[in-house]
Amino acid sequence: GQNIDQPTEMTATEGAIVQINCTYQTSGFNGLFWYQQHAGEAPTFLSYNVLDGLEEKGRFSSFLSRSKGYSYLLLKELQMKDSASYLCAVVDSNYQLIWGAGTKLIIKP
Amino acid sequence: DAMVIQNPRYQVTQFGKPVTLSCSQTLNHNVMYWYQQKSSQAPKLLFHYYDKDFNNEADTPDNFQSRRPNTSFCFLDIRSPGLGDAAMYLCATSRASGGPTDTQYFGPGTRLTVL
Repeated sequence: GQNIDQPTEMTATEGAIVQINCTYQTSGFNGLFWYQQHAGEAPTFLSYNVLDGLEEKGRFSSFLSRSKGYSYLLLKELQMKDSASYLCAVVDSNYQLIWGAGTKLIIKP
Repeated sequence: DAMVIQNPRYQVTQFGKPVTLSCSQTLNHNVMYWYQQKSSQAPKLLFHYYDKDFNNEADTPDNFQSRRPNTSFCFLDIRSPGLGDAAMYLCATSRASGGPTDTQYFGPGTRLTVL
C-alpha cells in the first residue's frame, strides 16, 4: 500500500527553527508537495520538490532525498502565525496525489 | 484577484436531507477536485474533473455526486447525508496537464454539519 508518515504534533518556540519530517512509500514518485493549513482553513501551497536537494524560499526550506523516500520542511525564525498543520503530499506513478495526515505545529512564545 | 470560491462556508443539514455545495474559480484551470477532510486527517479525494471528463475515486460512496456545468463551476451533491459525512469539503483546481504535478489551489472549504 501507499503510505505517508509525518509526526502528529510538534512544539517549538517563537524565533527558533523547526524541522518537520515526512517519509513516504509510494508506487513511483513524481514529486512532493508541502502545504500549510491553518485550523478551519484550506491548505495553501508552500513548496514542490521533484529533484534531490534543498529548495529555499524565504524562511521556509524543503529538502528531498528520493533514494531514502524522505523529505523535510525547515521553518526558520518561527512566528506565532506559523502555528498550523503542515501536510506532505506525494505524486505517485499514476499521477495521484497521496496525502499525509499532517503535522500540527504549535508555537509557544 | 483570481481565486477559488466555495459557498456556503458553513452548511447545516439534517440526516438524510440532500445538500449541494458549490465551487467556482476564476483561475481558468481545467482541472477541479473535491476533497473530504475530517479533523486531523489527510484530505480524501472524492472525484475530479479534467474539463468535463469526470473521474470518480473507487472508494467514493454513491451518496456523493458531482456536476460541472462549465469551466468555472463545480457542484458536490450529497444525496442522503449521514452523520459520518460531517466534514470539511474542499474544492481545488489545477492547470492544464490534468496531473497533480500541477500545484492545486484550494478554496476556503465548506464545513458540513449533519444533525
